[in-house]
Amino acid sequence: NAGVTQTPKFRILKIGQSMTLQCTQDMNHNYMYWYRQDPGMGLKLIYYSVGAGITDKGEVPNGYNVSRSTTEDFPLRLELAAPSQTSVYFCASSRPRDRRSSSPLHFGNGTRLTVT
Amino acid sequence: DAKTTQPNSMESNEEEPVHLPCNHSTISGTDYIHWYRQLPSQGPEYVIHGLTSNVNNRMASLAIAEDRKSSTLILHRATLRDAAVYYCILRDQGGSEKLVFGKGTKLTVNP
Repeated sequence: NAGVTQTPKFRILKIGQSMTLQCTQDMNHNYMYWYRQDPGMGLKLIYYSVGAGITDKGEVPNGYNVSRSTTEDFPLRLELAAPSQTSVYFCASSRPRDRRSSSPLHFGNGTRLTVT
Repeated sequence: DAKTTQPNSMESNEEEPVHLPCNHSTISGTDYIHWYRQLPSQGPEYVIHGLTSNVNNRMASLAIAEDRKSSTLILHRATLRDAAVYYCILRDQGGSEKLVFGKGTKLTVNP
């Protein structure tokens, strides 16, 4: 199984450029998440989605946009790249919650983004 | 803000047991305790989770305090491949999916 696939693996952007980080999962998971991880730091939640057509802000949403038109895909858009957005971006997915059990998050391998 | 607190770093020797603590004093009745680890230059991977009872799997054991305000991830015999950052998070089965990670514990395993 492919699991959670992120593309590209690496990208260098100039200040003010825009790009979309792609994330797709083949596990039919309803829940999907975007995190960023700055060097030597923990994970910060950017946006999350509990299903197609539903998205919510996380801890650090400014400067990013997301959409969720299908169950499989959850792209993250940077409109005007800034040096502060230099980071490693991780996408994750999970089965929905139910009151009898909990489900783990499955993470992709990340996209390393540098903005100069 | 993260709802869990962990030591910044810990050290262990190879083939010895490791006990990684996590405090979650504000845990609610519907919060599951999840543990993940992140190897260098990789994405986080799931380790184990539990609600009230202690849990075992092929990777680790999870010991949960009776009042659920703390838990301990136990690696029974540390190997060099266990050197990673370990994260403890709470996942609320009844509330928000806003899953916040703390800074985790960086585990160093000495040969």
